[in-house]
Amino acid sequence: GDSVTQMEGPVTLSEEAFLTINCTYTATGYPSLFWYVQYPGEGLQLLLKATKADDKGSNKGFEATYRKETTSFHLEKGSVQVSDSAVYFCALSDRAAGNKLTFGGGTRVLVKP
Amino acid sequence: NAGVTQTPKFQVLKTGQSMTLQCAQDMNHEYMSWYRQDPGMGLRLIHYSVGAGITDQGEVPNGYNVSRSTTEDFPLRLLSAAPSQTSVYFCASSLSSGTGNGYTFGSGTRLTVV
Repeated sequence: GDSVTQMEGPVTLSEEAFLTINCTYTATGYPSLFWYVQYPGEGLQLLLKATKADDKGSNKGFEATYRKETTSFHLEKGSVQVSDSAVYFCALSDRAAGNKLTFGGGTRVLVKP
Repeated sequence: NAGVTQTPKFQVLKTGQSMTLQCAQDMNHEYMSWYRQDPGMGLRLIHYSVGAGITDQGEVPNGYNVSRSTTEDFPLRLLSAAPSQTSVYFCASSLSSGTGNGYTFGSGTRLTVV
């Protein structure tokens, strides 16, 4: 079945540091890929998405590129802020699996001033 | 522009009690789903619906029932609560089940079963 693997946290960074969160996936079909963010005490919010190979999703300074050859969708941000402290989830939606959303385990990011 | 509304936000149940978690969306979304979030396990799909009158099981459906009588509402019922159902529950909706559509999540219900 489909699965998503992302690096375990927590990831602790200083403000203005570079952030990378690795995400790899296994899918039966040709999935769409997503990054969601969960701030403390809140639900998940869609951060960015990509629906086909080589697409780059971007939002709020975050970027991720759909790499079909390496089955990866790594999240990056060049200069993090304290307000980026949250849990980040990589996810996929696969038509072969009924378009249901499959999540990775989440990566907690803590940005210190 | 309420989005996805979940009630209650917090609930404590005794083992064996039943309850219904409410979920409503006002975006005319066809697709609705329930997830549970447990530490270290990400989010796991419980049940989902692709439209009014149509529901199906997800990854962890045991102990839960759902129905979808209207487009707006998708309640989750716990028939006889067990401590293993202690979790945070999220309802989510999407315009359709198409792969490129993002989901809108509610703010969650934190359930404790003692």
